[in-house]
Order: sequence, then C-alpha cells, then structure tokens
Amino acid sequence: DQQVKQNSPSLSVQEGRISILNCDYTNSMFDYFLWYKKYPAEGPTFLISISSIKDKNEDGRFTVFLNKSAKHLSLHIVPSQPGDSAVYFCAASARSNYQLIWGAGTKLIIKP
Amino acid sequence: DVKVTQSSRYLVKRTGEKVFLECVQDMDHENMFWYRQDPGLGLRLIYFSYDVKMKEKGDIPEGYSVSREKKERFSLILESASTNQTSMYLCASSFRWGSPLHFGNGTRLTVT
Repeated sequence: DQQVKQNSPSLSVQEGRISILNCDYTNSMFDYFLWYKKYPAEGPTFLISISSIKDKNEDGRFTVFLNKSAKHLSLHIVPSQPGDSAVYFCAASARSNYQLIWGAGTKLIIKP
Repeated sequence: DVKVTQSSRYLVKRTGEKVFLECVQDMDHENMFWYRQDPGLGLRLIYFSYDVKMKEKGDIPEGYSVSREKKERFSLILESASTNQTSMYLCASSFRWGSPLHFGNGTRLTVT
C-alpha cells in the first residue's frame, strides 16, 4: 500500500502559466514533506520542504501548500519555465523516523 | 557544493554475476543511502548507513548487501544478480537526519 501517492503520472502546462503538482499521503504520523526535481540522467535534487507546523512555504517561484486535514500537499510553480520540465517527486517522513517515503513522481512538461 | 559520485552510469551484467556499485561523497556526510528507482514505484530504500561500518536495512534489502569501510564510500553489492534487479540505482548522502538528501547521477543496471 503506497503511503505517498502522486496520482498524475504526467502534466502538461503552457510556459508562463501556473503548474500545480499534487501529492496525497495516508500516514498521519508524517510531519515533514519534501519535493525533489529530477532531470533525465541525473539524480533528484532537493527543491523545497515544509514542516507540519506550517501550511505554506515559499521559495522564489516555488510554493508548497500543506492541508493536514486532507492529508494533501501541492507544489505550485509560477510562472512555469521550460527548465522546469522534469519529474517531480514528493516525499514524506515522520521526525521520529526520518526515513523518507517517496511518491511515484509526476512528469511535468512545459510547452513553449 | 556537495558531490556524490557513482562509479558507473551504465552496467550490463549476466544473471548470477556478483555486482558492485560504488558511491563516494566528498562532504563528510554521516548518512549514506542506496535507492532503486522503478517506473510507477518511485524511489525505494534498499539500505542505509549512519556511520562507518554501520548499516541498516531499508524497505527492499533482499538480494543486496552493503559495505561502508570508510566514511566517504558506500558500496552496494548484488551477490547473485537476477533479472528483477534491472533498475536505476541511486546513491545519496545527508549531513544529518532530517537534512535533504544529495543524490548521485545514478547507475542504470541491466541484468540479462
């Protein structure tokens, strides 16, 4: 049973528009969430994180929103740029454990 | 900038061969990890190590072993490769528990 789910395998967005990537989790013990970005032939790179004591965290064009009651988080990219085309992974952990549980990834394609 | 180096980008091995995947990090990180990435499954943790000569099983350790004789080097060993071990293998390190992971570029292993 997947504890972290990214239900959209792919997403296509026009350049300049907003990209919204979604992630759902089932384990209520998770209290720390991260997004990683992966280009082909490279390892994932850390993008942004959020702790469960917050419901929003921003870093430049990237914002992560956390809805604890719905066990849902989303990554917003505004405005989307061609270099944002990549696979995005959502990951979660419980601070008591720190072991990351990963979603299957969403491939984001930014169209010119 | 943290550098995690995996010795091979591509490997092709035969069923039954013993396979070594090497990983070196240059930032004196305590923790090192081996993941495999398969389509639709995200990243799954094979083994991790929090100190020299220390190792812990992850979610899918069967068929694998690891070695950490020096702090900077973490090796993954497939004792007798099988076709279901064909995958992308990713090594990662982190400064401490809860810190973001830094990944190598991966080794794509094909077992025929």
